[in-house]
Amino acid sequence: AQSVTQLGSHVSVSEGALVLLRCNYSSSVPPYLFWYVQYPNQGLQLLLKYTSAATLVKGINGFEAEFKKSETSFHLTKPSAHMSDAAEYFCAVSAWYSSASKIIFGSGTRLSIRP
Amino acid sequence: DAGVIQSPRHEVTEMGQEVTLRCKPISGHNSLFWYRQTMMRGLELLIYFNNNVPIDDSGMPEDRFSAKMPNASFSTLKIQPSEPRDSAVYFCASSLIPISPTGHRTYEQYFGPGTRLTVT
Repeated sequence: AQSVTQLGSHVSVSEGALVLLRCNYSSSVPPYLFWYVQYPNQGLQLLLKYTSAATLVKGINGFEAEFKKSETSFHLTKPSAHMSDAAEYFCAVSAWYSSASKIIFGSGTRLSIRP
Repeated sequence: DAGVIQSPRHEVTEMGQEVTLRCKPISGHNSLFWYRQTMMRGLELLIYFNNNVPIDDSGMPEDRFSAKMPNASFSTLKIQPSEPRDSAVYFCASSLIPISPTGHRTYEQYFGPGTRLTVT
């Protein structure tokens, strides 16, 4: 069975500072991993995805994530935070079930940006 | 592309009333997912369909909830009767999964804007 654990329900950083959102996964098969972002009053948008092609994945808005099998981690980073990055971020893993696929989401991390 | 369309965007109803939420997936997608999001429970998968057939409804809270997908371009989630604890944001998402997959593949889901349901 697949699952993800997001460490820290709330992260606060200063504008211009490094953003680091942590995610650890559990999977009995090679995982496919995602980061989604949810801005206030909106649905979830795909930030980036890992599909085993490259361990460092670049996404939209300057975000990237690195897949580390030895640490079972898929942390999300951005070198310099911007006020517009304030949102909730979800790590997720793809699960194969009965000939169809579904995504298992983590509990989310709310990112706040201090001016 | 219009993306996933949900209606209504907001719904306020009284306890005991029937509520119907609607979703139009992205054209060409063959899988549809209904989620519920609350502060207490986070994002929960309620049910998902593949080629209009319900694959997994284990997340449906109870018999008051039902979902249908009569065709590839429309799905409904119905709550009857509604209760205050059903208040949440309900999301619909769609995805394209090959009909004859050869193995585990990853398919991202595209989310609609959600319906905010308030039951008083």
